[in-house]
Amino acid sequence: QKEVEQDPGPLSVPEGAIVSLNCTYSNSAFQYFMWYRQYSRKGPELLMYTYSSGNKEDGRFTAQVDKSSKYISLFIRDSQPSDSATYLCAMNSGGYQKVTFGTGTKLQVIP
Amino acid sequence: DVKVTQSSRYLVKRTGEKVFLECVQDMDHENMFWYRQDPGLGLRLIYFSYDVKMKEKGDIPEGYSVSREKKERFSLILESASTNQTSMYLCASSSGLAGLQYFGAGTRLSVL
Repeated sequence: QKEVEQDPGPLSVPEGAIVSLNCTYSNSAFQYFMWYRQYSRKGPELLMYTYSSGNKEDGRFTAQVDKSSKYISLFIRDSQPSDSATYLCAMNSGGYQKVTFGTGTKLQVIP
Repeated sequence: DVKVTQSSRYLVKRTGEKVFLECVQDMDHENMFWYRQDPGLGLRLIYFSYDVKMKEKGDIPEGYSVSREKKERFSLILESASTNQTSMYLCASSSGLAGLQYFGAGTRLSVL
């Protein structure tokens, strides 16, 4: 079993839809949870991160962590064609440990 | 803004050649990483470094080596390139307890 599981998609939604992207994990030591966005043929860029459980909002993006269920989510409101990309979740236990990445979910927002 | 610069966006090399991939970061980060990214396999860690002249093997170090002579620069070396090393190579740097990693644009390497 992988430490981090992420549905690869692809996920196709119409413009303006609410998108939900999710990851599950098995390592209860993970404390920091990140979401990266990667456009085709580019490097991943850090979108958001949260520490421990709870929600964090940044514009149209909301990151949610449920440590009791070992489940994290990224919600995108009012999705735009420019949101079309692959989204990777990532997490680590802090203390300068390595980051573990999901394999990414490919999202397409149709105009 | 953190900037991680990879020396080449695209490279084409022949089997058996020695290949150097260079990465420079401008944020004084202690930690630097090299990954390769392949469809369906996600990001796989090749090597990382927590300090100058320090290196640690990642999950797939075979066929690769690294060099970190200066804090801002981390080089990945393919000693004798093979076709199965055709991939997208990504460099990242990080600092601090959260370990947030910042990536370069990537180098797409083709070995023929």
